[in-house]
Parts: sequence; structure tokens; C-alpha cells
Amino acid sequence: SQQGEEDPQALSIQEGENATMNCSYKTSINNLQWYRQNSGRGLVHLILIRSNEREKHSGRLRVTLDTSKKSSSLLITASRAADTASYFCATVAYNTDKLIFGTGTRLQVFP
Amino acid sequence: ETGVTQSPTHLIKTRGQQVTLRCSSQSGHNTVSWYQQALGQGPQFIFQYYREEENGRGNFPPRFSGLQFPNYSSELNVNALELDDSALYLCASSLGYGYTFGSGTRLTVV
Repeated sequence: SQQGEEDPQALSIQEGENATMNCSYKTSINNLQWYRQNSGRGLVHLILIRSNEREKHSGRLRVTLDTSKKSSSLLITASRAADTASYFCATVAYNTDKLIFGTGTRLQVFP
Repeated sequence: ETGVTQSPTHLIKTRGQQVTLRCSSQSGHNTVSWYQQALGQGPQFIFQYYREEENGRGNFPPRFSGLQFPNYSSELNVNALELDDSALYLCASSLGYGYTFGSGTRLTVV
């Protein structure tokens, strides 16, 4: 079963715009991770945020985590056509290291 | 470039057959996990192996089984294939928090 939901399911923007994706989850977590997937192939790890962190940056990526609301967001700034992909959040609970994925957001960036 | 290699990349099997998928882990990674991803869905956890022992299992029937070898490579075996087993199967290796995924095996059951 999926841990949570991602919103929106699909997002279309123009190059240069910012893209924001949201993830909600159900149970307590140790950390939350974001992954990218191109055309139904392998997943690429983007960023990890621990439960005691509220915000994290990596290049054009900004991730926030609100454990009280059990939610996270991924912001991609100044998007590029090459950012077109599906983005998934995945949670890891305490005392385990298995990933529980959300349903994903399909991002389309038009040149 | 991923350090996890999966084979084959594509596979077509007939309902009722058995299939073995293979995964070569990233060097030094002693934990391997397998995921099933149906079309349009997020990956779902099948099971995990740590140092050749099963170390957690998702909601999958016993006909899904696995092995991890001393070199940390791994196999996923599925018996009595069903049409709903058609999916992308992903292998991920880790050494702590970080996960490295392979490109997956696309299994089609007809």
C-alpha cells in the first residue's frame, strides 16, 4: 500500500517557472526522501530530509517538512525542459529502512 | 550513472510460468530491496535482504521470493505468474540511508 498522496497528480509549466509538489503521509517517520523518475525507468535520489529538519536546499531544489501536518513539499526553481519527469516522495519509518512511496507527480516543462 | 545493474531490461512471460530477475548491487552495499511498480503508480516494497537474510517483507504472496548472494548481488523469483504481475521491477541497494536504484526490469505477463 502507498504511504501517502502527492499533489498535484500532474503539473504543466513553462521553462523558467517554479514547480511545487506536495506530499502527505500517514505515519511517523525517520526521514523523507524525494526521487525523480524519467519515462518509467530507474529512480534517482534527489534529496533527504530528516524528521528533525524543517527545510533543506540542494541546487535548484528546496524541500520543506512539517511533521505536525505530516506533509512535505518539493520546490524546483527556474525549471528547465530537462526537469520533465515523475517525482515521488518516499518515507522511512524508525527501526526500518524500507521506502514507502507516494503516488507521484508528473511534471511537464515546456520550452 | 547508477552503480546498480538489473537484467534483463525487458521480459515477456506467459501466465503460470516462473521468472528470475537479477540485480548487481553497488559495490560495498550490503542491503538490497526489491520494488514493484505498476503503470502509473508509485513503487511498492516487495522485500529486503541484508547480508543474505530476508529483513522485511511487504504485502506480497509467498510466490514472490528472493536470494542475496555473498557478493551482495540478488535475485527476485516469481512463480505461477499472473497477468497482474506485469510491472516494472526495481532493485535498490544501500549502505545506510542512501538508496541507489537500478533501471529496472519491465516484465510483461501475457
